[in-house]
Amino acid sequence: NAGVTQTPKFRVLKTGQSMTLLCAQDMNHEYMYWYRQDPGMGLRLIHYSVGEGTTAKGEVPDGYNVSRLKKQNFLLGLESAAPSQTSVYFCASSYERDYEQYFGPGTRLTVT
Amino acid sequence: GENVEQHPSTLSVQEGDSAVIKCTYSDSASNYFPWYKQELGKRPQLIIDIRSNVGEKKDQRIAVTLNKTAKHFSLHITETQPEDSAVYFCAAIFYNQGGKLIFGQGTELSVKP
Repeated sequence: NAGVTQTPKFRVLKTGQSMTLLCAQDMNHEYMYWYRQDPGMGLRLIHYSVGEGTTAKGEVPDGYNVSRLKKQNFLLGLESAAPSQTSVYFCASSYERDYEQYFGPGTRLTVT
Repeated sequence: GENVEQHPSTLSVQEGDSAVIKCTYSDSASNYFPWYKQELGKRPQLIIDIRSNVGEKKDQRIAVTLNKTAKHFSLHITETQPEDSAVYFCAAIFYNQGGKLIFGQGTELSVKP
């Protein structure tokens, strides 16, 4: 099993450009999450999903959109990137909301 | 609002000493408290978790204690080793916000040989 995978691993964007980060899991988990990690800020939840076709806002949802068209995939979109979105993005999945979250390897995004 | 406070932000100990990291949370309905370890350049991984029906849980050199009345929980690492050096995150589940897991700001632990 690959667990949780993310693509791409690195990306540099110019301000105003758009991109989509892809997260895939092969554990048949219902719950999937997108976090951003900034120095000294811990892991902050952007959006999450409790099942195929559902999405919900986390702590810092502004400037991001998500979709969960298939149970195994969770996409994070930036429509118009801003320098404040420079961060490391982690995807995670879990069997239930109060069970272990399995994280992907992360995507390092730089917006210039 | 929903909040998890974690202290200290950095901690340096000598190999063999103990390390303690403390967290407080704001939602009295929280009942699940995991701890994650993140090595440099790697993804966070669960090392131990505790639910509110117990006050303490141990796994070899690590233990977690929970005080629901005071709304705080702690991670204890005994006989620290250089490979324990990492960033540790506590978290709590907030049911008043749809069951979201909220993380603390992290503690960078350095174990000096």
